[in-house]
Amino acid sequence: QKEVEQNSGPLSVPEGAIASLNCTYSDRGSQSFFWYRQYSGKSPELIMSIYSNGDKEDGRFTAQLNKASQYVSLLIRDSQPSDSATYLCAGDPTGANSKLTFGKGITLSVRP
Amino acid sequence: NAGVMQNPRHLVRRRGQEARLRCSPMKGHSHVYWYRQLPEEGLKFMVYLQKENIIDESGMPKERFSAEFPKEGPSILRIQQVVRGDSAAYFCASSLGPLPYEQYFGPGTRLTVT
Repeated sequence: QKEVEQNSGPLSVPEGAIASLNCTYSDRGSQSFFWYRQYSGKSPELIMSIYSNGDKEDGRFTAQLNKASQYVSLLIRDSQPSDSATYLCAGDPTGANSKLTFGKGITLSVRP
Repeated sequence: NAGVMQNPRHLVRRRGQEARLRCSPMKGHSHVYWYRQLPEEGLKFMVYLQKENIIDESGMPKERFSAEFPKEGPSILRIQQVVRGDSAAYFCASSLGPLPYEQYFGPGTRLTVT
């Protein structure tokens, strides 16, 4: 079974802190990864995609991919209460380019 | 509105009835994916379609579920003879092409089976 796993959480950080969200995957064939944010009762919203080893920054968000260690992470700098949501990691473990496999998500709470 | 559209947003069906969920992809997108999110569970892939073709249906239950994406009109996910276990949020996503193209989600249809 090709898996994308998010085992930590829920996560609570104070406003202004850095929130670090982690995700591991089981198949070295995975090529592309995505982070989505989902507010309660809403649909997933794409935050960032990452395909290459290293860091990718977009505003307060930084995605990190380490293919050798098979993990992908999302850092949120200067966390705001509006960042409180469930963050979903998704990848393509089969490498078949046909579907995303999602982790169960990490619930982040940013305390004012 | 250039986003993915889904309707209805909420659907209530009695056991044994049929449910039809519609999805119009973002303008310019010809790849459509359906996902299901059961209460307190993660998103699960169901089916991937291009215009007039089913590309991957490995996540679809073998019975009662079908999907199509005709040349004209929205993609439709059909659930026949619904059961209470079908109650879930059904999300459609669209993309410009297969992975690694990014997938954008619609607002979802929340199906309740009574």
